[in-house]
Amino acid sequence: QVQLVQSGAEVKKPGASVKVSCKVSGYTLTELSMHWVRQAPGKGLEWMGGFDPEDGETIYAQKFQGRVTMTEDTSTDTAYMELSSLRSEDTAVYYCATVGYSYGVNGMDVWGQGTTVTVSS
Amino acid sequence: EIVLTQSPGTLSLSPGERATLSCRASQSVSSSYLAWYQQKPGQAPRLLIYGASSRATGIPDRFSGSGSGTDFTLTISRLEPEDFAVYYCQQYGSSSWTFGQGTKVEIK
Repeated sequence: QVQLVQSGAEVKKPGASVKVSCKVSGYTLTELSMHWVRQAPGKGLEWMGGFDPEDGETIYAQKFQGRVTMTEDTSTDTAYMELSSLRSEDTAVYYCATVGYSYGVNGMDVWGQGTTVTVSS
Repeated sequence: EIVLTQSPGTLSLSPGERATLSCRASQSVSSSYLAWYQQKPGQAPRLLIYGASSRATGIPDRFSGSGSGTDFTLTISRLEPEDFAVYYCQQYGSSSWTFGQGTKVEIK
């Protein structure tokens, strides 16, 4: 059974970068399609990007292109999401989540616990 | 980018009643990639339905999904106290995933 454990809360100043980690257990990262979703306070869910197995590449939401980088360390089964040029509107809970393509579930069936990122001067 | 519009924004119902939630897409969506999630305050979302109508592991059969093309529905046949939450639809298409804005199901 897949479990995802994310890094702790972060407080950043405007213009800085943040890097959130997501440790996988129960499966190896190479067997999963990892995605990142964020949720601003009191708002809905917003997909940021993730791995597309059809193309074998990471795809990003147009809104975040150029500002977000998603990477994976297969030696430690840890995924990372780095968001740069932070502004106050980036204050949100950031989730990692996996799409279960490999076992026929075309939805994000496993989620991390969320990482709160606060951007404030 | 495909836009998903959920209605109503808020649904006020009593336990035991039937809930019908709508998700309309701005263009046709592959049913294989239409999902529904439940989210309670302070918790991560939980996958309920994928492929428009398949229940995820452990989801009670009072939850069902239907629809095709641009119109999809999540039905909760008899609301239990634990079902009061926010529900989101989600789709994948053209190398992009998008979520609807959510429907809150609240106790009347």
